[in-house]
Amino acid sequence: NAGVMQNPRHLVRRRGQEARLRCSPMKGHSHVYWYRQLPEEGLKFMVYLQKENIIDESGMPKERFSAEFPKEGPSILRIQQVVRGDSAAYFCASSPPTGAFTIYFGEGSWLTVV
Amino acid sequence: QKEVEQNSGPLSVPEGAIASLNCTYSDRGSQSFFWYRQYSGKSPELIMFIYSNGDKEDGRFTAQLNKASQYVSLLIRDSQPSDSATYLCAVLGGNQFYFGTGTSLTVIP
Repeated sequence: NAGVMQNPRHLVRRRGQEARLRCSPMKGHSHVYWYRQLPEEGLKFMVYLQKENIIDESGMPKERFSAEFPKEGPSILRIQQVVRGDSAAYFCASSPPTGAFTIYFGEGSWLTVV
Repeated sequence: QKEVEQNSGPLSVPEGAIASLNCTYSDRGSQSFFWYRQYSGKSPELIMFIYSNGDKEDGRFTAQLNKASQYVSLLIRDSQPSDSATYLCAVLGGNQFYFGTGTSLTVIP
């Protein structure tokens, strides 16, 4: 997972606030995935993005959650009006545009809603 | 809906033994399969991927794939205490990597 950078690593928000999680993919990677992992649960797909495009957002909750991957800068996962149930680890992963189709994870962002 | 099933464990093996981790998947059209290791509080780390039926070996790790039976397994030879972690099976389907809930492995010194 070297090279996929996520920040912040830990974030505490009060209910109703906004959380913004950032992800910079590995050098040369143009595909970004966001996953959520609740305590004692598996990784759940949220969204798959390429630069300036959302390819698949079938795992994103319909409300309060959004993601973007602008032409310049990191990918951002935004959670508005956070609730306690949003407390989880959010992992970003990236993959190259061609070749072996594997994904490499960042260190994760742990969101705690109090 | 594509599903990936793993026995959650915990699986305990003595140091030096072979640990066997299993995974089944529902989408018969899946072509790519992955094993990740995740230590508590850390991110998943890619161990191996396998695309073809049969065995693929990398050091102490062997991945086995049987597409007809829709299962993939991971064998860890000469298990070490440092192998104690949760092992996640993942299947690539379309644009998504579908993950199992993981099997917790403990290697007892």
